[in-house]
Amino acid sequence: NAGVTQTPKFQVLKTGQSMTLQCAQDMNHEYMSWYRQDPGMGLRLIHYSVGAGITDQGEVPNGYNVSRSTTEDFPLRLLSAAPSQTSVYFCASRGQAGELFFGEGSRLTVL
Amino acid sequence: QQQVKQSPQSLIVQKGGISIINCAYENTAFDYFPWYQQFPGKGPALLIAIRPDVSEKKEGRFTISFNKSAKQFSLHIMDSQPGDSATYFCAASIWNNDMRFGAGTRLTVKP
Repeated sequence: NAGVTQTPKFQVLKTGQSMTLQCAQDMNHEYMSWYRQDPGMGLRLIHYSVGAGITDQGEVPNGYNVSRSTTEDFPLRLLSAAPSQTSVYFCASRGQAGELFFGEGSRLTVL
Repeated sequence: QQQVKQSPQSLIVQKGGISIINCAYENTAFDYFPWYQQFPGKGPALLIAIRPDVSEKKEGRFTISFNKSAKQFSLHIMDSQPGDSATYFCAASIWNNDMRFGAGTRLTVKP
């Protein structure tokens, strides 16, 4: 089991560019989510999905889009990157006991 | 507003000492309280979790104390070791709903 896999690990964008952060899990978990981690602010929920075809907004959804076409994949799209989106992004899936399994993160810098 | 408040922001403890991290929450509907441990460059990983029907849970050197009336819970690390140096996050959720995280505590254990 690879668990939760995120790509890329590092990315530098210019303001206004778009990109997609990829997330895949091989644990057959229905629930998947995206968090961003910023110093002093912990982990804040961006979007989540309770199953294929179902997504919903979290605490800080503005500027991000998601889709869930399969159980395994949950990509996060930045349509027009802004410096305020410089952060470390974590994808997580949830096990049956309620615990979240996180990927290793994607560090994004927007210039 | 932050639904889970965590303190202190940073903590330095001597090897063999006790590390204590505190969290407070507002939403009385929360019924799942995990602690996550994060090493640099890695994603958070579940350390220990508690439900409000018990006041304490111990796993090895790690103990969660839970005070439902005060809406507070804490993590105690006994006999702290340099390998425990990491960032610790408390979190809370309504079972199988979105998880909300504290701001994190950076623990340094000095040899």
